Amino acid sequence: AQSVSQHNHHVILSEAASLELGCNYSYGGTVNLFWYVQYPGQHLQLLLKYFSGDPLVKGIKGFEAEFIKSKFSFNLRKPSVQWSDTAEYFCAVIPSLTDSWGKLQFGAGTQVVVTP
Amino acid sequence: NAGVTQTPKFQVLKTGQSMTLQCAQDMNHEYMSWYRQDPGMGLRLIHYSVGAGITDQGEVPNGYNVSRSTTEDFPLRLLSAAPSQTSVYFCASSKRASGIRNEQFFGPGTRLTVL
Repeated sequence: AQSVSQHNHHVILSEAASLELGCNYSYGGTVNLFWYVQYPGQHLQLLLKYFSGDPLVKGIKGFEAEFIKSKFSFNLRKPSVQWSDTAEYFCAVIPSLTDSWGKLQFGAGTQVVVTP
Repeated sequence: NAGVTQTPKFQVLKTGQSMTLQCAQDMNHEYMSWYRQDPGMGLRLIHYSVGAGITDQGEVPNGYNVSRSTTEDFPLRLLSAAPSQTSVYFCASSKRASGIRNEQFFGPGTRLTVL
């Protein structure tokens, strides 16, 4: 079945460490890609998105992601995390441009805990 | 703009009870959708609507009904609640894509427990 896979379910790291979260998808053709973040007790917020153009996308709060088409990947990175980055991170894909209503397919999420 | 609002924030039901989760948006978005969030499974699409009077099923529609009588509101109905419907429910909305994919805006969620 076509899917969105996030490599890690839980990540624990210290402040100032670098973060990289993996995301792979199995849909062929052109896709639209997103990373959402859910801070404790809050709703989902968009971190960044990729539709076309430069495969290195910069988002809010110092996050960036790189789209590598040949690897079907859209990994999220942040060079130096802060305690406030503790949250759950979701990769999401719109798998078909023929579906202009954008039904998102989500990965299972990665819980990130940043320790002081 | 209030964005996407959901009520209630928390709800506890007994098996077999019915209830409606409310969702409203004030951004004049054509597209609205309901997701459920379960640990280790991400968010899964329940139902969606591309405009008033038009709804369709998502990935996990069983046990849920929806209707869209206005652009602003998209309620989700549980006709006979089951413990398997214990979850956090998110409503989302976006503009019609028209070839340019738009961000979906999410509501704050409703945490539902079915005993």
